Amino acid sequence: GENVEQHPSTLSVQEGDSAVIKCTYSDSASNYFPWYKQELGKRPQLIIDIRSNVGEKKDQRIAVTLNKTAKHFSLHITETQPEDSAVYFCAPGGMKTSYDKVIFGPGTSLSVIP
Amino acid sequence: DGGITQSPKYLFRKEGQNVTLSCEQNLNHDAMYWYRQDPGQGLRLIYYSQIVNDFQKGDIAEGYSVSREKKESFPLTVTSAQKNPTAFYLCASSIKAYYEQYFGPGTRLTVT
Repeated sequence: GENVEQHPSTLSVQEGDSAVIKCTYSDSASNYFPWYKQELGKRPQLIIDIRSNVGEKKDQRIAVTLNKTAKHFSLHITETQPEDSAVYFCAPGGMKTSYDKVIFGPGTSLSVIP
Repeated sequence: DGGITQSPKYLFRKEGQNVTLSCEQNLNHDAMYWYRQDPGQGLRLIYYSQIVNDFQKGDIAEGYSVSREKKESFPLTVTSAQKNPTAFYLCASSIKAYYEQYFGPGTRLTVT
């Protein structure tokens, strides 16, 4: 089955600095690469996703980059703000069979210090 | 008001009792999922369904059961066989597998 890891597990940055979180996966058939953000006490929400036919995608201060050869993708947050403090999850997957399943990474806790 | 709902928000049960958590969506999504989240932990998949009348076990299905009789509904039953049922349970749906998942607000279950 899919083995998903995230690094680092915790990250603390000063407001205005950049943050990078890396997700590594084991299944080369994966072709969908999302990042979810979960603020304390709230539900996870998708913040950005990418498919394997694209190497990079950007949406304002956040971006995702994909390296399919190395089987990892990364979340980049620039000009961090206190409201970026949350737990971030990756969930790579793909339709290998009709009943394959989504595996979430263990999460990265980001703290932005004002 | 479109979206995915879960009820109740908090649920308390005595050990040995079965309990059913509700999950409803009006997004016309084919796929639905149940996750368990323990404090400081990630999301662990309990069951998922990609189509009505069909569902598959996730990584931690033991002690849980589901049904998918309607597209809109995917209830989860936590049975007395689940050794440690106290947790935060999240339901999600997506238009189909490997698309954005929309999460419900969650149900916090406490079993004593």
